Amino acid sequence: GQNIDQPTEMTATEGAIVQINCTYQTSGFNGLFWYQQHAGEAPTFLSYNVLDGLEEKGRFSSFLSRSKGYSYLLLKELQMKDSASYLCAVRDARSWGKFQFGAGTQVVVTP
Amino acid sequence: EAGVTQFPSHSVIEKGQTVTLRCDPISGHDNLYWYRRVMGKEIKFLLHFVKESKQDESGMPNNRFLAERTGGTYSTLKVQPAELEDSGVYFCASSHAGVNTEAFFGQGTRLTVV
Repeated sequence: GQNIDQPTEMTATEGAIVQINCTYQTSGFNGLFWYQQHAGEAPTFLSYNVLDGLEEKGRFSSFLSRSKGYSYLLLKELQMKDSASYLCAVRDARSWGKFQFGAGTQVVVTP
Repeated sequence: EAGVTQFPSHSVIEKGQTVTLRCDPISGHDNLYWYRRVMGKEIKFLLHFVKESKQDESGMPNNRFLAERTGGTYSTLKVQPAELEDSGVYFCASSHAGVNTEAFFGQGTRLTVV
């Protein structure tokens, strides 16, 4: 099976930087995904890492270390609209259509 | 391009009744997935279709749940008879063919069994 752990909630001020950590234990691995979900809306894709290292996409960056079973999502220049739940998800190597999700990290951006 | 659409957005039914949820994936997406989020828990995988075939249904909770995707287009998820613990948000997602492709999610159907 797989376990995915991420903090429940984080608070930061507008303009600041927040780093959301995700650790996973898995018997198979085929990529780590980050999704953003606003309340009552669909999760939307943010980033995907399959190799070690940093992937940068505008204000959002994601890092992966497969040997450590660790990823983080970095949100820079926080805006009020970034208040949302951020979901870490690991794709199963044996069933490539199957994602294991973490419980999500609720990010609250304050003025 | 239209996104993944799900119907209905909300459903309230009594225990023992039947409910059918529908998902229309993005046109041309061979892969279709059903997930469920029970209150306070993480989103959990239910099953995966490739076109009309079930690729992986290891997450289906029990035989009260039946998913179909006739013709490889839209999919339905029927719960019969519904139980209280079936309450939650049911998400559908779709993606193109291929292993390393992004999955697009629908807004979900919030099911409440009373």
